[in-house]
Order: sequence, then C-alpha cells, then structure tokens
Amino acid sequence: DIQMTQSPSSLSASVGDRVTITCRASQNINTYLNWYQQKPGKAPKFLIFRTSTLQSGVPARFSGSGSGTDFTLTISRLQQEDFATYYCQQSYSTPLTFGGGTKVEIK
Amino acid sequence: QVQLQESGPGLVKPSETLSLICTVSDFSISSGYYWGWVRQPPGKGLEWVGSIHHTGSTYYNPSLKSRIIIGVDTSKNQFSLNLSSVTAADTAVYYCAKTYYDILAGSAMDVWGQGTTVTVSS
Repeated sequence: DIQMTQSPSSLSASVGDRVTITCRASQNINTYLNWYQQKPGKAPKFLIFRTSTLQSGVPARFSGSGSGTDFTLTISRLQQEDFATYYCQQSYSTPLTFGGGTKVEIK
Repeated sequence: QVQLQESGPGLVKPSETLSLICTVSDFSISSGYYWGWVRQPPGKGLEWVGSIHHTGSTYYNPSLKSRIIIGVDTSKNQFSLNLSSVTAADTAVYYCAKTYYDILAGSAMDVWGQGTTVTVSS
C-alpha cells in the first residue's frame, strides 16, 4: 500500500495568512494526488484533482503543486470559511489511501 | 446534479454484519463511474473501504477484503456495503461516493453522500 503522510497535522493561522500543507507519498505517484476539505460534521468536499486542477467553484486562492512523492496545498490568503481539515489522497493505485489530515484552526 | 444518500442501521452488534445502502438520485448508475464507500472512525481520518463499477467489477481494501462485499442493483439505482464480523473498530461514519471519471485509479471522489454513523456495540 502507498502511505500518505501529511504535515503538519494541525496549524493555527489568521485570516489573510498564507498557509501551506505538505503531503508526501511513500513511493512515486506521478501527479495522481487529490485534495479534499472537510468541515465538522460534513462530508469531504473535492477541491483539487491530480495535483493542481481546481474543481468548479473552488476559489483561486487555493492551489496545488508537486509531483512524484512531494506535494503541497497552498491557500494564498486564508478566509474564515477555509478553517477546516484538509486531506490528500493518492489515486495512483488501489488501495486508495488518504493522508492523516491537516486541521487548520483560527489563531 | 447527482446526489447520494446512505441508509442503514445505526447500531450493529459485535460479530454481526453491517449492511448499508447508497441510493443514487438524478443519475443512472448504469451510465458508468465507480461507486464506493469511505469510512471515518470518530475523531480520525478517512479510509477507503472499496468500490464497484456498474458492470459489477469490485475493488476492496485488502485490510477488509475477507469481510466485505459491495454490490450494485441497477434496477433500484443503489449500491450496497456488507461488512461481516464487525468489531468496535468498525465504528465509523460511512460515506458513499462516486468517482470523477469512469476509472478508479487515476480518478477522485467528486460526489459524496452526507454520511451515516454506524456504532458497533452490544
């Protein structure tokens, strides 16, 4: 199985801050990396496809980059509605696996 | 806009079988895509359980493979999850989800149900 490791596991930030979340795969997954946002009590929301393709309706302040084993999700200017937990997920091979999540909290 | 809705018992006894159904609305399962299950134990992260294609092809998480069956009923536009010999470790919110493309590897899960909480307890 491909292990996905996210860092940090949590962070505190203020509205307007730039936030970067890292996801590392245990082997080369090319660009087969997706990102999801989850708010408490809600289902995950699909944010970014194959490393960098923003889904319809996702604000442009979100961006993704990387390839191989190292990936990042960046929020350029954090907004109130961005406080949530973010998960990466590899789709290179089954079993599909998720990172442990990064909780973005209000400072 | 396709919608998914999970249903099933909220409480299952240890050693019994957990059975859930996901009903798909505003889209025919027979049209394609993979339909699957993801679970989330209380306070923890997401775990892919398994997926099924409308043709019946299945992919399961090896950690659950001996206990899991995912089925599809195209006449009812539903797919199902059966997880046998459950223990407290199977307590989780179970989500059903659809893939973004008509493939599993290389895709993503773009539409999710709201989730249903299943507790394993006597």
